[in-house]
Amino acid sequence: DAGITQSPRHKVTETGTPVTLRCHQTENHRYMYWYRQDPGHGLRLIHYSYGVKDTDKGEVSDGYSVSRSKTEDFLLTLESATSSQTSVYFCAINRLAGETGELFFGEGSRLTVL
Amino acid sequence: GQNIDQPTEMTATEGAIVQINCTYQTSGFNGLFWYQQHAGEAPTFLSYNVLDGLEEKGRFSSFLSRSKGYSYLLLKELQMKDSASYLCAVREEGVGDDKIIFGKGTRLHILP
Repeated sequence: DAGITQSPRHKVTETGTPVTLRCHQTENHRYMYWYRQDPGHGLRLIHYSYGVKDTDKGEVSDGYSVSRSKTEDFLLTLESATSSQTSVYFCAINRLAGETGELFFGEGSRLTVL
Repeated sequence: GQNIDQPTEMTATEGAIVQINCTYQTSGFNGLFWYQQHAGEAPTFLSYNVLDGLEEKGRFSSFLSRSKGYSYLLLKELQMKDSASYLCAVREEGVGDDKIIFGKGTRLHILP
C-alpha cells in the first residue's frame, strides 16, 4: 500500500555524526509522526506534526529534532548520533484525522550507530 | 502522562480463542487502538474503540471500558498467521492534535 515512504531504509553510522531520516507522503495528510521501536520498550513517540511548521514533542524527544517545511515531508534529525539511538524508526500518517485517527505506518528505517 | 500495560507474551493453540488485555491510565483519553505487527514489519491497524462496548470485525473483537481504563482484544479461531505482536495504543489529547501512545506490545505464539 503506497502513500508513505521512508528513506534511507537502512543506515550504519558512527557516534557523533549527524543523521537525517526522511518521511514522504503522497496523500496530503496534515498529521505525521515519528516513532522509534526497541525491544522491551515497544513503539515510543519522538515528535509529531499537525501541519507545516507545526510540531510538538513526544515521549522521547531528547537528542532529536524535526522539520516540516512542506506537507509531504517530515524530517527527523539526530544532530550527533549516539549508540542509544540505534533503533528502528517508523514514520506514520494519520489517514482519518478528526475521525478514527488510524495511523498508517511506513516500512521503517533501521539505524545502527557504532 | 500515559501508563499502558499489557502482558509481554502469550501462547495459544491453533483453532482456539485468546484474549489480550490492556489497561491504561491517562489524562484526556480520546480512544484506544489495537495494532498487529509481524516480526520485521510495520504495525497494521486492527481496531478502534472510543465508546464503551464491543466492536466485532470478523475473527477479531475489541472491548473497551472507559471507567475501568481497560480494553481487550479477542481473537477467535486462531490461525498460525496470527502469530505476531499485538499493540495497544491510547489516543491522548494534545496540542493541535491527539498524540497516540503505544504499550510495549504482547507477543502471541500460536502452537499447532
